Amino acid sequence: ELKVEQNPLFLSMQEGKNYTIYCNYSTTSDRLYWYRQDPGKSLESLFVLLSNGAVKQEGRLMASLDTKARLSTLHITAAVHDLSATYFCAVDIGSQGNLIFGKGTKLSVKP
Amino acid sequence: DSGVTQTPKHLITATGQRVTLRCSPRSGDLSVYWYQQSLDQGLQFLIQYYNGEERAKGNILERFSAQQFPDLHSELNLSSLELGDSALYFCASSVGVFMATDTQYFGPGTRLTVL
Repeated sequence: ELKVEQNPLFLSMQEGKNYTIYCNYSTTSDRLYWYRQDPGKSLESLFVLLSNGAVKQEGRLMASLDTKARLSTLHITAAVHDLSATYFCAVDIGSQGNLIFGKGTKLSVKP
Repeated sequence: DSGVTQTPKHLITATGQRVTLRCSPRSGDLSVYWYQQSLDQGLQFLIQYYNGEERAKGNILERFSAQQFPDLHSELNLSSLELGDSALYFCASSVGVFMATDTQYFGPGTRLTVL
C-alpha cells in the first residue's frame, strides 16, 4: 500500500525565516504534486514534478523531487503571512490521476 | 476560481438517508475525480471517470456510487448515510486521462453533515 508521509504536520514560522517541508512516499512514482489549501477553501495546484531532479519555483516557494530517495521537498524562503495555509503533497500511482495525499502540513507564519 | 463547480455547497441530513452531490468539470475536461476529506482520514481518492466511463476506484464504500453523464457532469450518490460519512467532498477535473503534464483542478467542495 502506498503511503505518503509529510513532516512536519504543523509548522509555526516567523516572517522572514526559511523552512522546508518534506514529503516521503513508499513506492515508485514519477509524478508528485504540491497543493495549497486555505481554511475552508478548495485545493490550489502549486507544482507538478515529473522527473528525478525536477525543481520548480514560484515566488517564495521552491519544490524539488528525488525519485530515487522517494522524497520531495517544499522550501519556503523569507516567509510572509500570506503563505499561511495547509500544504499537501500527492503522489500519482498508476499514472492515472489516483492521487494519494499526505496528511498535510499546516503552516502558520507569524509577524 | 478553478472552473469546477459543485452543488450544493452544504448539505445536512440524517443517518440512513441518501444524498446526491453534483459536479461540473472545467470546460473541455473529460476526467472527473471524487475525493473525500475528513479530519481522521485526510484526503482520500474515491473514484475517477473519463468521458463517461469509470477508470479507477479508490477507497469508495459500497454504499457510495458515482456516474458521469454525456454532458460530462458527474454525480456522487451516498446512501445509508452514517455519522462517519460527514466530510468535505471534492470533485476535481483534468483534461484527459491524466497525461504527465495534467493538473487536477479542484472544485469548492460540498460539506456533508450527517446528524
